[in-house]
Amino acid sequence: DGGITQSPKYLFRKEGQNVTLSCEQNLNHDAMYWYRQDPGQGLRLIYYSQIVNDFQKGDIAEGYSVSREKKESFPLTVTSAQKNPTAFYLCASSMVRASGRLPSYEQYFGPGTRLTVT
Amino acid sequence: RKEVEQDPGPFNVPEGATVAFNCTYSNSASQSFFWYRQDCRKEPKLLMSVYSSGNEDGRFTAQLNRASQYISLLIRDSKLSDSATYLCVVRGSGYSTLTFGKGTMLLVSP
Repeated sequence: DGGITQSPKYLFRKEGQNVTLSCEQNLNHDAMYWYRQDPGQGLRLIYYSQIVNDFQKGDIAEGYSVSREKKESFPLTVTSAQKNPTAFYLCASSMVRASGRLPSYEQYFGPGTRLTVT
Repeated sequence: RKEVEQDPGPFNVPEGATVAFNCTYSNSASQSFFWYRQDCRKEPKLLMSVYSSGNEDGRFTAQLNRASQYISLLIRDSKLSDSATYLCVVRGSGYSTLTFGKGTMLLVSP
């Protein structure tokens, strides 16, 4: 089945530790995204990548880093510099180019990782 | 003005009722519009795209009003399983990222 997987579902870390969240997709989508969601808040964009080996900062990139070495994978590292890392982290992907028709820009989400830092 | 604004609700309706949500957006150059559904502690899932001519998918109807910069979602014959948070999502012009509203919560009761 095609889809987006994120692991682990729940993650607990001590303050001061870096932690890497995994995101893999087999939808053959060009673009991938990382969001965080806090209670009662909308999704906020952390980083996104439209193509392998290239990525752009979103609205709240400080304290995070990403890499895009493969089309299928877009891991997110939450560094110790991120002041409030406890949140629900969501990875998404979308098609950027669709031969013969206009791209739709719809994004499809993985199940998310709940990170708790104490 | 917030980029994408929604009434947070909750909207409490009985089964079988018709309920409508509105969403306003600030960027007049926005090109694409979507409604997503998010169940408690789950990921958002695409419910439907919103086209200029309006579109319908079963019990769900979406409308776009570019002049007033709002989109709407109408749910007819509400089911218990419709209880969720509905996210209004907007894309600017060119290749740009999506902006998500904070969502409207719907609670359907027996």
